[in-house]
Amino acid sequence: GPKVLQIPSHQIIDMGQMVTLNCDPVSNHLYFYWYKQILGQQMEFLVNFYNGKVMEKSKLFKDQFSVERPDGSYFTLKIQPTALEDSAVYFCASSFGGANTEVFFGKGTRLTVV
Amino acid sequence: AQSVTQPDARVTVSEGASLQLRCKYSYSGTPYLFWYVQYPRQGLQLLLKYYSGDPVVQGVNGFEAEFIKSNSSFHLRKASVHWSDSAVYFCAVSASSSFSKLVFGQGTSLSVVP
Repeated sequence: GPKVLQIPSHQIIDMGQMVTLNCDPVSNHLYFYWYKQILGQQMEFLVNFYNGKVMEKSKLFKDQFSVERPDGSYFTLKIQPTALEDSAVYFCASSFGGANTEVFFGKGTRLTVV
Repeated sequence: AQSVTQPDARVTVSEGASLQLRCKYSYSGTPYLFWYVQYPRQGLQLLLKYYSGDPVVQGVNGFEAEFIKSNSSFHLRKASVHWSDSAVYFCAVSASSSFSKLVFGQGTSLSVVP
């Protein structure tokens, strides 16, 4: 079936540095999402993105976070600067439509901030 | 705001036995309800969804779930489990008016033993 690819699967970064998490969504999808899962806790919504704009974001989506999808390529999540509490698994997802269409998830990128 | 509770963090069942994984949600409007499964080192995969109509919905691999509005529940069931069903199962709710912002429960880790 359709696949969302996330690169890399694991990234280790020094606190205070910038990190960019890359996501290759399903090719004809129009809606894009990031979710965050801290070890042992539930997956939580960060942001969704449509037509080049952030449509909705949660309180977890701090000012240090940004998303973009330049020229229809990778959908990225950038954290600048990183903090220790940003350590988590970040899941990218995409869907063709809005609320009543299937959302496809990637395998996640495990971010470790040291 | 929406919320989802999966009261059982871990469930162990014998192969061939029946299964019920519990899920209760909180949402004042009409919810869209989902069950996802996460196999080791994989992304989330959709098992089944409920939008409206018949409260018992069928999913992949013999799974089904029943929406009981009076109880705010959406329990997942399977008549006979197989060892390959061992995974983490997430219940999620989405507000029908949102861009597929999913609110997840904490997940139930299922172990199927011989």
